Amino acid sequence: EADIYQTPRYLVIGTGKKITLECSQTMGHDKMYWYQQDPGMELHLIHYSYGVNSTEKGDLSSESTVSRIRTEHFPLTLESARPSHTSQYLCASSDFQVNEKLFFGSGTQLSVL
Amino acid sequence: GQQLNQSPQSMFIQEGEDVSMNCTSSSIFNTWLWYKQDPGEGPVLLIALYKAGELTSNGRLTAQFGITRKDSFLNISASIPSDVGIYFCAGQLVTGNQFYFGTGTSLTVIP
Repeated sequence: EADIYQTPRYLVIGTGKKITLECSQTMGHDKMYWYQQDPGMELHLIHYSYGVNSTEKGDLSSESTVSRIRTEHFPLTLESARPSHTSQYLCASSDFQVNEKLFFGSGTQLSVL
Repeated sequence: GQQLNQSPQSMFIQEGEDVSMNCTSSSIFNTWLWYKQDPGEGPVLLIALYKAGELTSNGRLTAQFGITRKDSFLNISASIPSDVGIYFCAGQLVTGNQFYFGTGTSLTVIP
């Protein structure tokens, strides 16, 4: 059972607003990820981090930014939300070991009007 | 990014039937993970595979790491209504750190 938490679960917001999606894990995992997923579609990596002060962009270009100031916390920020940002955002973490496993939070469903 | 092709894209089966799905790529992977996702939720890890030819079970689920290291298979025996959902494979390249996800198989079980 994974201990990774995302808030809020659902967010409806107007165009131009700044938003931050929260993700926390209590497993002490070094690696954390943000994926974007449209309904019923595959997951696309938008950001990842190997540890504190480490952030990298994933394969899918995103206007969002991330920070990793503490091991357990990996928030994602959109400075100015647009309707094209409407999607599900999934946070995940894994331990930096040979037999790696990836654990997901419940996701944040973002709707930008 | 890497392309992981899952098939079939969707399945409609009767309760009690067995299910098979697979995931293929043109690249060699050193890890395969299988997930189930319910609507509006995050994916839940079902099975993890780390060696070519490895066969691992989790209850009625069995997954195999293909011997070519370019594919993986998931079987569900005696399906039940709660098996409904979307099943995703995820692979990690030998040379990389990211996990790439398949296109998903949507499973519907008819009681």
